Amino acid sequence: EAGVTQFPSHSVIEKGQTVTLRCDPISGHDNLYWYRRVMGKEIKFLLHFVKESKQDESGMPNNRFLAERTGGTYSTLKVQPAELEDSGVYFCASSRRLAGGSGELFFGEGSRLTVL
Amino acid sequence: KQEVTQIPAALSVPEGENLVLNCSFTDSAIYNLQWFRQDPGKGLTSLLLIQSSQREQTSGRLNASLDKSSGRSTLYIAASQPGDSATYLCAVEDDYKLSFGAGTTVTVRA
Repeated sequence: EAGVTQFPSHSVIEKGQTVTLRCDPISGHDNLYWYRRVMGKEIKFLLHFVKESKQDESGMPNNRFLAERTGGTYSTLKVQPAELEDSGVYFCASSRRLAGGSGELFFGEGSRLTVL
Repeated sequence: KQEVTQIPAALSVPEGENLVLNCSFTDSAIYNLQWFRQDPGKGLTSLLLIQSSQREQTSGRLNASLDKSSGRSTLYIAASQPGDSATYLCAVEDDYKLSFGAGTTVTVRA
């Protein structure tokens, strides 16, 4: 069974540009999450999809971030325009359970974003 | 707001020694607690998941305990090996969101 895959693994962009990160969850996992770690800080929750619906986007830092999950399959996270403080590692995770908690989460290897 | 603390921040032990990693959290209303391992430049690998109704979970040389009322979990790794060198992260789940600690970086010396 393929794991959670993320693309690109590393992206370097100039301040003000746009970047789109992609996540392919494990097949059959309805729950999809985005987390990020910025330099020197703990990993923080960004948002949670159940199938194609946003269940919780309380962790999204501002309206420069837009997440979508087309048809309940893969997800994209767009940052537009990127700022220096957006640099960090963006992790995607997926899980199967829908009730009583998310159960065991499976993480991708992350997309490292560097904004210059 | 949930706060998760991991002590120590770093640990270096000789091969064969047992490892004890501590995690504490401030809000006991959690669904579960999960321990992860992260190797440099890699993603997070789930090690053990303890449901809120459970007190411990075991997998091979790993054993994790959970005391929800006191807000503590401990990860024990028996007979450490150089391959156990990594960063270990504790995370508690509340309402489908994980709150992470900063991690404990473990070095096992051959």
